[in-house]
Amino acid sequence: LAKTTQPISMDSYEGQEVNITCSHNNIATNDYITWYQQFPSQGPRFIIQGYKTKVTNEVASLFIPADRKSSTLSLPRVSLSDTAVYYCLVYNNNDMRFGAGTRLTVKP
Amino acid sequence: EAQVTQNPRYLITVTGKKLTVTCSQNMNHEYMSWYRQDPGLGLRQIYYSMNVEVTDKGDVPEGYKVSRKEKRNFPLILESPSPNQTSLYFCASSLNSLNTEAFFGQGTRLTVV
Repeated sequence: LAKTTQPISMDSYEGQEVNITCSHNNIATNDYITWYQQFPSQGPRFIIQGYKTKVTNEVASLFIPADRKSSTLSLPRVSLSDTAVYYCLVYNNNDMRFGAGTRLTVKP
Repeated sequence: EAQVTQNPRYLITVTGKKLTVTCSQNMNHEYMSWYRQDPGLGLRQIYYSMNVEVTDKGDVPEGYKVSRKEKRNFPLILESPSPNQTSLYFCASSLNSLNTEAFFGQGTRLTVV
């Protein structure tokens, strides 16, 4: 099972772009890279998923280099409501293992 | 509205008194799972089910039971709760066991005294 490493915490200001990088050196061929967001006392919420290159949706972008050993979640123009914990998961067959995540704090 | 519903949201109980936390999803998902979340330990999977009558242990199954008699429901049973099972519990479901988006319930905060 591919282990992920991401920063424990990050600070940003409203209106800035935030990039959270996740390292997954032993990712397997069948693994997908998925990011979830969690607010205090709420269940995690799916943000974005990708396999390679770049994926974009209405919330975020996910950049995956060719070797797939890392990925970067990009949140454009964050607001105070984006303060949350962000989890990077690498898995297939729904074997979802959550690490500690990155606690993002957006300041005014 | 597509959702995963857990009940109760909050529960305080005493050691040894059997309890059940219910989980229901209305998306016809095959895959369902239970997690517990503790400070400093993150989310850990307790049990999962790939379909009706198919369940399997996750990382921390001790002290818990589950059943999957019908597709929409996946109750978590604590036969004899102990204080170390005080935690925040989440149920999740996804379309199938492949790489699909998981939907989580609102959580159940359980305190065992």
